Amino acid sequence: ETGVTQSPTHLIKTRGQQVTLRCSSQSGHNTVSWYQQALGQGPQFIFQYYREEENGRGNFPPRFSGLQFPNYSSELNVNALELDDSALYLCASSLGGGTAEKLFFGSGTQLSVL
Amino acid sequence: KQEVTQIPAALSVPEGENLVLNCSFTDSAIYNLQWFRQDPGKGLTSLLLIQSSQREQTSGRLNASLDKSSGRSTLYIAASQPGDSATYLCAVNYAGGTSYGKLTFGQGTILTVHP
Repeated sequence: ETGVTQSPTHLIKTRGQQVTLRCSSQSGHNTVSWYQQALGQGPQFIFQYYREEENGRGNFPPRFSGLQFPNYSSELNVNALELDDSALYLCASSLGGGTAEKLFFGSGTQLSVL
Repeated sequence: KQEVTQIPAALSVPEGENLVLNCSFTDSAIYNLQWFRQDPGKGLTSLLLIQSSQREQTSGRLNASLDKSSGRSTLYIAASQPGDSATYLCAVNYAGGTSYGKLTFGQGTILTVHP
């Protein structure tokens, strides 16, 4: 167990809807990163938040947005869902945002878009 | 383009065999490299983290090496067990970006250890 918790574990939505995924960081960690993992692929970096500010973004459209709260928990919001958004969404937390940090991953949210 | 490639895509071995998983990356300017294990439909479990200045890391039956000049890392698993069956992912933290948390992953090696 890493101490990183994600909710919900599974979610089914229809195309065009909006979804919010949640992540609670490991105690003491102030940096959260989000990844998308399509079936049979490695995870792809979406973005990172450090002390409530976005601190780097991958190649994802603006309809993917996020928030980090003062307690360092985080949300991933996806608007106008598309079928290709079906994937496992992983949250990872780390301490301090430095270069040598190890990332600790949660168990993920499995999103299905119909 | 900064990429990570893992070979083989899948591997099936009998219990007790020693095995090597390979990872290659395209840019030697890295902060660190991390090996993960993923069980079906689950999150990632960190196995070993090798900093840019290190050559290898060991944990139990696992040993990971790093050769930045050739852009390669290997994960060695000794005396494999059926419980080692999982997908193994290699992830590189490339230097130069604004986000230290950005890992670039390979597609993984699916390992099956049969009794």
